Amino acid sequence: ETGVTQSPTHLIKTRGQQVTLRCSSQSGHNTVSWYQQALGQGPQFIFQYYREEENGRGNFPPRFSGLQFPNYSSELNVNALELDDSALYLCASSRTGDGYTFGSGTRLTVV
Amino acid sequence: QQQVKQSPQSLIVQKGGISIINCAYENTAFDYFPWYQQFPGKGPALLIAIRPDVSEKKEGRFTISFNKSAKQFSLHIMDSQPGDSATYFCAGSPGTGSYQLTFGKGTKLSVIP
Repeated sequence: ETGVTQSPTHLIKTRGQQVTLRCSSQSGHNTVSWYQQALGQGPQFIFQYYREEENGRGNFPPRFSGLQFPNYSSELNVNALELDDSALYLCASSRTGDGYTFGSGTRLTVV
Repeated sequence: QQQVKQSPQSLIVQKGGISIINCAYENTAFDYFPWYQQFPGKGPALLIAIRPDVSEKKEGRFTISFNKSAKQFSLHIMDSQPGDSATYFCAGSPGTGSYQLTFGKGTKLSVIP
């Protein structure tokens, strides 16, 4: 059973640029969620996808967007990057009734 | 609005001692309370979870105590080991699988030999 894999592991972008982060869900999981974890803080919910539809969103602006594909993999896109977007971005997958499995994250640095 | 308050922020425990981390929640819709363990450079890993219909759950050296009326829950790590040194997060959710998790700010545990 494979876990949740995220790519890339590290990324450096310039303020104003756009970034795409990728996630492969654990086999059998139909729900994927994205979280932002700032240094020294707990993860904060960005949004969640179920069957390719967004079905929940946290307090993040529209420049944070996502996709879920038929194979349950997912992307997180962030436009117009700001310095405060620097964080660890975590993908988590689950199936109905079970808990979440997190990936190791993508460390994004905006300079 | 911080919906899950976690304390202490950091904790130092001697090997073999008991580590205790406390959390309080505000959202009465929460129905699932997991604890996650996170090592540097890794994502959070589910440690143990509880639902409010039980007051205690034990798995090995890890125990969750839950007080529904006080809206508080805690993690006890018995016989703490240096390998337990990590950051621990409590969380709350309206359910499992398809619901967002609201995390506390974390507790950095250091177990010294």
